[in-house]
Amino acid sequence: EAQVTQNPRYLITVTGKKLTVTCSQNMNHEYMSWYRQDPGLGLRQIYYSMNVEVTDKGDVPEGYKVSRKEKRNFPLILESPSPNQTSLYFCASSLNALAGGEQFFGPGTRLTVL
Amino acid sequence: QQPVQSPQAVILREGEDAVINCSSSKALYSVHWYRQKHGEAPVFLMILLKGGEQKGHDKISASFNEKKQQSSLYLTASQLSYSGTYFCGTAIYGQNFVFGPGTRLSVLP
Repeated sequence: EAQVTQNPRYLITVTGKKLTVTCSQNMNHEYMSWYRQDPGLGLRQIYYSMNVEVTDKGDVPEGYKVSRKEKRNFPLILESPSPNQTSLYFCASSLNALAGGEQFFGPGTRLTVL
Repeated sequence: QQPVQSPQAVILREGEDAVINCSSSKALYSVHWYRQKHGEAPVFLMILLKGGEQKGHDKISASFNEKKQQSSLYLTASQLSYSGTYFCGTAIYGQNFVFGPGTRLSVLP
């Protein structure tokens, strides 16, 4: 089944404790992206990747890191989480050029930073 | 930079029609529409490309006015399953993607 998977689905952590949220897709998609969703603000892009080893900042990259060492995986790293990073996070992938392609979203990761 | 959507929320009875609008201060080369049900991930509905080509859903239609930098999503004869939050989005500055704030649609029996 074609899908985007994220782990963990729920995470409660404390300020400053490094964490990684994994994202994997099995559709051989080139484009992958991370979004955060907060009430009233919609979905905001954190980082995106056009292909392996090619990543770029979205609208809200501060406090986050990503890597794209393999085409299928795009982990999101929070090296020193803070309470303002409490949010619902979605990973998404698209076949190629975004203008012509739909994005497939993972199920989401709800993160709480205490 | 973020597209503007209107209305913010709408309540309908089954069978009624709705229009959701999306506009941008930046030039639009494509507009994407997604629907998100409560507690779920967004799901693709439709994409409209500059030049008029449209790809997507067969029960929901949309228009794209490139000159006015606006798009509208038309939901006709609403069903209960149409309830959710609708987002428009567009790719800018290359492949950076930006979503609008969303329009919450509630369809009542």
